[in-house]
Amino acid sequence: KNQVEQSPQSLIILEGKNCTLQCNYTVSPFSNLRWYKQDTGRGPVSLTIMTFSENTKSNGRYTATLDADTKQSSLHITASQLSDSASYICVVTEGGGADGLTFGKGTHLIIQP
Amino acid sequence: DTGVSQNPRHKITKRGQNVTFRCDPISEHNRLYWYRQTLGQGPEFLTYFQNEAQLEKSRLLSDRFSAERPKGSFSTLEIQRTEQGDSAMYLCASSLWGGETQYFGPGTRLLVL
Repeated sequence: KNQVEQSPQSLIILEGKNCTLQCNYTVSPFSNLRWYKQDTGRGPVSLTIMTFSENTKSNGRYTATLDADTKQSSLHITASQLSDSASYICVVTEGGGADGLTFGKGTHLIIQP
Repeated sequence: DTGVSQNPRHKITKRGQNVTFRCDPISEHNRLYWYRQTLGQGPEFLTYFQNEAQLEKSRLLSDRFSAERPKGSFSTLEIQRTEQGDSAMYLCASSLWGGETQYFGPGTRLLVL
């Protein structure tokens, strides 16, 4: 069964600090992995998308890494801001033409001033 | 605003009533997806359309749920004889093609009393 596990479940850090969120998956065959940011009461917004051959991708203060061998990804947030408070959801797309998406439960991040 | 829109944003109904939600995708997108999200969980896939054709339905979509996309543009999701367990955020997303980034709407939050 395809699964996406995220850790930690929730995280509280001080404004200005860095943090790293983890995503482990068992989806096979693999097509791509996305990180979404979801503000409370709103729909998810795509941050990054990574395919099998990509190890790292940045979007401003967000840097995602992918290790397709160990089936692990991380999202690193640098110099956190209050607006980074949100849920961060890891989504893995199944390859082979199925296009099935498997969503993680998300990491709830709170930035404290 | 050329993003995905959903209406209504909030719906409160009594158990046993029928409700209908609408999703307007990004205009040139062929794929339209419906998801359900409960508090603290990631989105769960319900169904998706390729143009006007409904190609896949999750087993979560009981016979009380029906979705349509009659002209391949907007879509509606109807829940008949609502139950308290139907209370959730219903998210719509669209993408240009399968496997492409899905752009989410703001969601419709349903509360069944």
